[in-house]
Amino acid sequence: AQSVTQLDSQVPVFEEAPVELRCNYSSSVSVYLFWYVQYPNQGLQLLLKYLSGSTLVKGINGFEAEFNKSQTSFHLRKPSVHISDTAEYFCAVSGPPSNNLFFGTGTRLTVIP
Amino acid sequence: DAGVTQSPTHLIKTRGQQVTLRCSPISGHKSVSWYQQVLGQGPQFIFQYYEKEERGRGNFPDRFSARQFPNYSSELNVNALLLGDSALYLCASSLMGREVGETQYFGPGTRLLVL
Repeated sequence: AQSVTQLDSQVPVFEEAPVELRCNYSSSVSVYLFWYVQYPNQGLQLLLKYLSGSTLVKGINGFEAEFNKSQTSFHLRKPSVHISDTAEYFCAVSGPPSNNLFFGTGTRLTVIP
Repeated sequence: DAGVTQSPTHLIKTRGQQVTLRCSPISGHKSVSWYQQVLGQGPQFIFQYYEKEERGRGNFPDRFSARQFPNYSSELNVNALLLGDSALYLCASSLMGREVGETQYFGPGTRLLVL
């Protein structure tokens, strides 16, 4: 069984500052990891995903994440945030035999002007 | 191209009633999944359908059912509504739904309020 833990429920950060949103996973099989963003009153949009290969994954809107197998982590980073990055961010995992997603509880990123 | 569409956008029901939510996948996608997102929580997997057959089911009671039509659209039905069923119901589509790591594309959701 797969599961995901997002360690921070809320992260406030000033505009143009860097940010890291933390995610740890648990799985007994090979895992595939995802970050989705949810803007207010909207569905989920894929930011990036890790399937295999390079452990540093680049996504949309300047976000990137690093897969760390030894620490079972997949933290999301952005070097300089904008007001428009204010949203809820979800880490998710999937594994065989399907592409169903198991989500964490989310981290609300608030960018302060 | 249109993304995943869901209807209605909002719905208010009373306890004990039944509700049907609808989803149209991205053109060419054959798999549809349903998720429930309770306020303040991450989405939870309910069902996955591929080619009109159920391929996966999450830990939800039998009051929840779904089906997929020949055009790959899908309906989620919830009977005997409880207050705890109040949530945002998300539909996601993917090409085949059986390739691990295949991206799921989400619709805007249907917000259900049970009074």
